[in-house]
Amino acid sequence: EAGVAQSPRYKIIEKRQSVAFWCNPISGHATLYWYQQILGQGPKLLIQFQNNGVVDDSQLPKDRFSAERLKGVDSTLKIQPAKLEDSAVYLCASSHTRGNTEAFFGQGTRLTVV
Amino acid sequence: QKEVEQDPGPLSVPEGAIVSLNCTYSNSAFQYFMWYRQYSRKGPELLMYTYSSGNKEDGRFTAQVDKSSKYISLFIRDSQPSDSATYLCAMSVNSGYSTLTFGKGTMLLVSP
Repeated sequence: EAGVAQSPRYKIIEKRQSVAFWCNPISGHATLYWYQQILGQGPKLLIQFQNNGVVDDSQLPKDRFSAERLKGVDSTLKIQPAKLEDSAVYLCASSHTRGNTEAFFGQGTRLTVV
Repeated sequence: QKEVEQDPGPLSVPEGAIVSLNCTYSNSAFQYFMWYRQYSRKGPELLMYTYSSGNKEDGRFTAQVDKSSKYISLFIRDSQPSDSATYLCAMSVNSGYSTLTFGKGTMLLVSP
């Protein structure tokens, strides 16, 4: 079974530029999560989708971050404009259903904002 | 005070040692407790999952939860160099894997 796919693996941009990350979850997984992991910290949930609907985006900085999950499969996370403090690893995870099923993580996209 | 506290380490041990990793938390509503292992430049992978208080054993790994003390532990017996990774505790209030709150992670180094 293929895992959660993310691209790109690495991205370097200048502050105030925009950037987008892509995630393809495990086939059949209805729930998709985006986490931000700053160096030396644990992952922090940014947004959770159930199919193509948003379940929780309470910690998403909506003035600069946006995410969508068209057709309930792939998802993109966008940052516009980027700030230095957005430098982090962006992890995508998916699970079969909400709640009591394990979430599987992708390898992440490492973003450096200079 | 952060919701979940975890010593970042690094924790260095020789091969074969028993390792103890710990987290404390402040939110008494947490009911689901997990330990994830994260290798360098990889995503976290689930090691152990526990609901409420008690012990759970899986091979060389034992997870303990003491809700009265708001304290959870992960023990690794007969540690191996391949166990070298960052170990993240995570917990949630509702429905297991939803809306996890992670600790910072403890880096473990097992030397041959």
